[in-house]
Amino acid sequence: DAGVTQSPTHLIKTRGQQVTLRCSPISGHKSVSWYQQVLGQGPQFIFQYYEKEERGRGNFPDRFSARQFPNYSSELNVNALLLGDSALYLCASSYGRDRTYEQYFGPGTRLTVT
Amino acid sequence: KNQVEQSPQSLIILEGKNCTLQCNYTVSPFSNLRWYKQDTGRGPVSLTIMTFSENTKSNGRYTATLDADTKQSSLHITASQLSDSASYICVVSADSGTYKYIFGTGTRLKVLA
Repeated sequence: DAGVTQSPTHLIKTRGQQVTLRCSPISGHKSVSWYQQVLGQGPQFIFQYYEKEERGRGNFPDRFSARQFPNYSSELNVNALLLGDSALYLCASSYGRDRTYEQYFGPGTRLTVT
Repeated sequence: KNQVEQSPQSLIILEGKNCTLQCNYTVSPFSNLRWYKQDTGRGPVSLTIMTFSENTKSNGRYTATLDADTKQSSLHITASQLSDSASYICVVSADSGTYKYIFGTGTRLKVLA
């Protein structure tokens, strides 16, 4: 069974551009969460989606948005990129939205903003 | 403010030795605590999850403890191996209406031959 997959693996953008990151959860998982991990720091929660609806949001500006599709895959969009958006973006899936369900992380997308 | 603090920030040990990593949290109301292992450039992988009523949980050479009264957890690694070199992240989940995981900044462990 495939784990959580993310694409692309690496991405280089310039300031002001927009970027879309993609995530496919483990088969059967209905919840997808997005995290930002700056080098040397722990991941910071951005969004959780469950059954195609936003169920949680971290302290990120409105430049960050996401959505979940009927097949439970998800996209994270970041507009007007800043240098500080350079980070590893992690996607995690779980069967349910409850915090007791185990989260399985993907390998991440490394975004570099120049 | 909900916070998770880990110590030490980094640790170097020789292969075969034991080590203990610490996690202190101020998250309330507490739901559960997880320890993750994260290899460089990869996503975190879960090692253990503990709820309020659990004091100890083991996963092979990894043993996690939880003291909910003092809001402290530790991860003990026995007979370390080179492959244990990674960052170890403590994550506490808040039991509120809002979905929330609070991550620590991790302890970077280096095991030397």
